[in-house]
Amino acid sequence: QVQLLQSGSELKKPGASVKVSCKASGHSLTNYGLNWVRQVPGRGLEWMGWINTNNGYPTYAQGFTGRFVFSLDTSVSSAYLQISGLKAEDTAVYYCANDRGRTGGFDTWGQGTLVLVSS
Amino acid sequence: DIQMTQSPSSLSASVGDSVTITCRASQAIPNSVAWYQQKPGTAPKLLLYGATRLQSGVPSRFSGSGSGTEYTLTISSLQPEDFATFYCQQHYSSPPTFGQGTKVEIK
Repeated sequence: QVQLLQSGSELKKPGASVKVSCKASGHSLTNYGLNWVRQVPGRGLEWMGWINTNNGYPTYAQGFTGRFVFSLDTSVSSAYLQISGLKAEDTAVYYCANDRGRTGGFDTWGQGTLVLVSS
Repeated sequence: DIQMTQSPSSLSASVGDSVTITCRASQAIPNSVAWYQQKPGTAPKLLLYGATRLQSGVPSRFSGSGSGTEYTLTISSLQPEDFATFYCQQHYSSPPTFGQGTKVEIK
């Protein structure tokens, strides 16, 4: 079964860091760009950027530079989102997603990882 | 960046009704729209792409149309499982951008 499997919810204090993982199952992680999408509770979807899974080159959307880092470990078919210097406004569900069908839309999504930032 | 303005933000409808959701882009995006359905606590699900192309496994009561800057998602004969929030997304240029969402509720 084709899936993207994300790591579990995280509770972090302001200023801490978090690393969210996204593991491809039933398909190859490579050959498809891996996107990250943020959803603040009760709000809409926001594209954070993507990582080229062939060469590891990341592209960050405006507003997601500096504290956000995309990375890969192709040996375990996994992509990662690391956020440093966490702020309360980083509280959100973070999704990984790819476009295996090359449709332009995101046809495969992880289940989402809730990152809660609270003192 | 291309802005996607989605309307309405919410609507109430009954099982069996037909509903239409509209997205307007800030510039022409030739047939480069995807539509998603999201239920509470779950990831979005791709319904259509390329404005009119139904994703595999999606019921045919979902359809898309439009051109230029204006695109619509129509759900004919709403079913109980269709009550959710729907989002449009342009895939014409980077960054891909989403509409604000339309919550379809039971009347």
